[in-house]
Amino acid sequence: AQSVTQLGSHVSVSEGALVLLRCNYSSSVPPYLFWYVQYPNQGLQLLLKYTTGATLVKGINGFEAEFKKSETSFHLTKPSAHMSDAAEYFCAVSDRGFGNEKLTFGTGTRLTIIP
Amino acid sequence: DAGITQSPRHKVTETGTPVTLRCHQTENHRYMYWYRQDPGHGLRLIHYSYGVKDTDKGEVSDGYSVSRSKTEDFLLTLESATSSQTSVYFCAISEAGTPNSPLHFGNGTRLTVT
Repeated sequence: AQSVTQLGSHVSVSEGALVLLRCNYSSSVPPYLFWYVQYPNQGLQLLLKYTTGATLVKGINGFEAEFKKSETSFHLTKPSAHMSDAAEYFCAVSDRGFGNEKLTFGTGTRLTIIP
Repeated sequence: DAGITQSPRHKVTETGTPVTLRCHQTENHRYMYWYRQDPGHGLRLIHYSYGVKDTDKGEVSDGYSVSRSKTEDFLLTLESATSSQTSVYFCAISEAGTPNSPLHFGNGTRLTVT
């Protein structure tokens, strides 16, 4: 079964600084990859996804992620953090050929923005 | 938000009592899912549905049952609640069942079993 690891359950960055949230997956075959964001007392919402094609994926709110097959990684970045980015972020992975019921979520990274 | 309403938003119940959580969607999506969210575990799939009266188990289905009698409603039942079922429960929907059709989530139900 596919697994996904998010390094760092908590990350703090200063407002205006680079945001880097790490995600590694276990499959030897490139899977589908997702980042979701969860704001307090809300459900998850999709930030971006990689299915095929360009390995640098741009999402909402200025976030992007790069699929690196050689590193089995899909790290999420944003050049300049904003206070509104404070939330919990989840990486998720799904093997190709399977449905959403096989989607595996990471344990999440809580992002704090320091004023 | 996609048109997903979960009810109730908060519930406290006692061990051994039955509990039903409701998910209602206005998007007419075929697929519906129930997840639980626990610290250190991320989200784990409980059950899902791929159509009216068509349901299947997910990763953590023990102690839970579901029903879907209408496209718009997906019910999650805890027949006899236990303290280990204290969690935040999320409903999600997708238009198709494949990862190209991403999940849209409701705002969750916080369930406490005392």
